[in-house]
Amino acid sequence: NAGVTQTPKFQVLKTGQSMTLQCAQDMNHEYMSWYRQDPGMGLRLIHYSVGAGITDQGEVPNGYNVSRSTTEDFPLRLLSAAPSQTSVYFCASNTGLGNSPLHFGNGTRLTVT
Amino acid sequence: DAKTTQPPSMDCAEGRAANLPCNHSTISGNEYVYWYRQIHSQGPQYIIHGLKNNETNEMASLIITEDRKSSTLILPHATLRDTAVYYCTASYNQGGKLIFGQGTELSVKP
Repeated sequence: NAGVTQTPKFQVLKTGQSMTLQCAQDMNHEYMSWYRQDPGMGLRLIHYSVGAGITDQGEVPNGYNVSRSTTEDFPLRLLSAAPSQTSVYFCASNTGLGNSPLHFGNGTRLTVT
Repeated sequence: DAKTTQPPSMDCAEGRAANLPCNHSTISGNEYVYWYRQIHSQGPQYIIHGLKNNETNEMASLIITEDRKSSTLILPHATLRDTAVYYCTASYNQGGKLIFGQGTELSVKP
């Protein structure tokens, strides 16, 4: 099992550019979510999905889009990057059962200039 | 999900036990207490979880008070590699709309 895989590891964008952060898991987990972490801060939930075809907003969804067409993949799209989106992004997954911890990817470090 | 409160930072001497507290006074009866840690800027790593009873695994012990309003994560013999930010969460389902607090930054000193 590879677990939760995030690509790319690092990315630099110019303001206004678009890109997609990829997240894939091979554990057949129903639930997947995206968090961002700014320097010295905790994790803030951007969007989450409770299964293929179902997504919902977290605490800080503005500026981000998601879709979940398969159980394995949960990409995060930035349509028009802004410097305020400079952050480290983490993807996580779990089975959706009460006794199931979150499995996190190793993160994508995004810088928007 | 129950709101959790943790001290922002703690120090511990190497080889001693590190006791990290977490308050979750609004926890519901079916909500689990979970602990994660984050070393440097790596992805958070699951440590341990519990519902009512105390739990122990190879990494740590979890003590939950009888009223379930607070818990303590115990690292029995802290090493320098345990220096990290530790997060406590309380929810039925760790997936979905799970909100993390600020965590406790533990510094283990020689």
